[in-house]
Amino acid sequence: QKEVEQNSGPLSVPEGAIASLNCTYSDRGSQSFFWYRQYSGKSPELIMFIYSNGDKEDGRFTAQLNKASQYVSLLIRDSQPSDSATYLCAVNSGNTPLVFGKGTRLSVIA
Amino acid sequence: DGGITQSPKYLFRKEGQNVTLSCEQNLNHDAMYWYRQDPGQGLRLIYYSQIVNDFQKGDIAEGYSVSREKKESFPLTVTSAQKNPTAFYLCASSKDRDYGYTFGSGTRLTVV
Repeated sequence: QKEVEQNSGPLSVPEGAIASLNCTYSDRGSQSFFWYRQYSGKSPELIMFIYSNGDKEDGRFTAQLNKASQYVSLLIRDSQPSDSATYLCAVNSGNTPLVFGKGTRLSVIA
Repeated sequence: DGGITQSPKYLFRKEGQNVTLSCEQNLNHDAMYWYRQDPGQGLRLIYYSQIVNDFQKGDIAEGYSVSREKKESFPLTVTSAQKNPTAFYLCASSKDRDYGYTFGSGTRLTVV
């Protein structure tokens, strides 16, 4: 059973701080990794994807991947109250649908 | 604009009824998926289809059925055999798994 684990939170950070969201996965053969943001009552939207070890930056968001440790993280710099949402980690492990974690709820306090 | 459309946004089902949730995409994506989300829970896969006229069961297929007669459409029927259908249903599509999924806006189903 392929698993993706996330701390459910809530993770509370003050406005302007860096929020760090973490995700571990069980399948060492996993190839691509995604972060989705889901506001309450809405559908998930893709915000970052990463395929290779290292960091990938897009605006205030940085995805970090360490395949040896089977670990992927999302950093949000200069956190804003509008970043308050649930963040879902998803992993592609070959010719099967993406496996989603249960998500981490982030609360940015003004 | 290309996108994926789910309807209706809200749906109420009486005990013993079958109901069908619509999902249409104009993104020319081959693969489509149905997920169920319960409050405070992650996404659970119901059914998926990687090509027209073919689909596979996901983790929680019991009490649900699907069809994929057209590339653009992947309707989900919630049958009376599904004993606890109240949930948020999400449809998604993908061109390629390496590009992730695009989600529709969801259908919130309530049993009355």
